[in-house]
Amino acid sequence: AQSVTQPDIHITVSEGASLELRCNYSYGATPYLFWYVQSPGQGLQLLLKYFSGDTLVQGIKGFEAEFKRSQSSFNLRKPSVHWSDAAEYFCAVGVGNNDMRFGAGTRLTVKP
Amino acid sequence: NAGVTQTPKFRILKIGQSMTLQCTQDMNHNYMYWYRQDPGMGLKLIYYSVGAGITDKGEVPNGYNVSRSTTEDFPLRLELAAPSQTSVYFCASSPRQGGTEAFFGQGTRLTVV
Repeated sequence: AQSVTQPDIHITVSEGASLELRCNYSYGATPYLFWYVQSPGQGLQLLLKYFSGDTLVQGIKGFEAEFKRSQSSFNLRKPSVHWSDAAEYFCAVGVGNNDMRFGAGTRLTVKP
Repeated sequence: NAGVTQTPKFRILKIGQSMTLQCTQDMNHNYMYWYRQDPGMGLKLIYYSVGAGITDKGEVPNGYNVSRSTTEDFPLRLELAAPSQTSVYFCASSPRQGGTEAFFGQGTRLTVV
């Protein structure tokens, strides 16, 4: 069955430090891959997406993610974290025609 | 720039009561979705619609019903509220079928007591 795993429930980084959030998926074909961010009390906002082509994709707010087929991973990165990046981050996989499966989320705390 | 609008933002229900969560979008998207979000569980798909008059079950449909009489509106109905339905509910829409970007509403926090 299709699944998305975000191994880290909670990550704390210092402001200015680099960030990597992990995402692994289980899916038979090459999936559509997404990272969403959710600020407290808000809906989800798309950070970036991968459909095909270049495996390194750039998103909004300085985020990027790399698709690695051999590792079934789509990790999210940012070189220098800002306090405003504190939020919950969700990896998602587009499956079939009408469904999107989400990971459980990783909560990011940014220390001053 | 309304996007996807959900009402109400918060609601407390008693066990056995019914209610409708409203969702409307102004982007002329054919595809609309209802998700529930529980702590540590990510989002689970309840129902989806590929166009007016067409709906189908998602991963966790039990206890819910939907209708899609117009492109804009996709209400979610809870007939007999149960404590297990305490959750945050998100409506989303997308212009094309699954695998494309979804636009989310701000959510409805529902508590059943």
